[in-house]
Amino acid sequence: DAGVIQSPRHEVTEMGQEVTLRCKPISGHNSLFWYRQTMMRGLELLIYFNNNVPIDDSGMPEDRFSAKMPNASFSTLKIQPSEPRDSAVYFCASSLERAGFTSGYGYTFGSGTRLTVV
Amino acid sequence: SQKIEQNSEALNIQEGKTATLTCNYTNYSPAYLQWYRQDPGRGPVFLLLIRENEKEKRKERLKVTFDTTLKQSLFHITASQPADSATYLCALYGGATNKLIFGTGTLLAVQP
Repeated sequence: DAGVIQSPRHEVTEMGQEVTLRCKPISGHNSLFWYRQTMMRGLELLIYFNNNVPIDDSGMPEDRFSAKMPNASFSTLKIQPSEPRDSAVYFCASSLERAGFTSGYGYTFGSGTRLTVV
Repeated sequence: SQKIEQNSEALNIQEGKTATLTCNYTNYSPAYLQWYRQDPGRGPVFLLLIRENEKEKRKERLKVTFDTTLKQSLFHITASQPADSATYLCALYGGATNKLIFGTGTLLAVQP
């Protein structure tokens, strides 16, 4: 498996523009997570899906942020309109199971999308 | 509020020595504690998971301890190598949030 695939790797956009980040989880994983990483706040969980259904979006900072998972192999995180304070690295991660970790495995992260809003 | 603390200062050690990183937490009763490695420009990579009823877990040169009384985990890398240089993140799961929450990480630099 190629792992969790995110695109684009880098995105530079102007304030006010719409930004869409994409993620393909590992085949067979039924949980998907979107995290944001900044120097000041570290890794923050934005939203997670279980079996394509959004379970908890309490980490989404504002209504400008939205996420979808139309099928088991694809998810998007959209920011509209974007603002300079949204600049960060956005990671997508997937796992076999959300809560149990009974298999002894953690999350598999993608390489991230570095977003810069100017 | 729940808090996870890792030493924000970089840890510099000599090759061959044992590196020990600390993760402390407050106002939290995690069911699982995990350690991840993150290299510059890459996503975190899962290393080890330890459950609340386990005291210690080993994997090759890595060892993790979990003391729920002290609310602390120690992460050890024995016979460290320059290739071990990276940021190491502690993450906790459980309690009321049912989310995997990360610490801010500690940068380890192993000098040849």
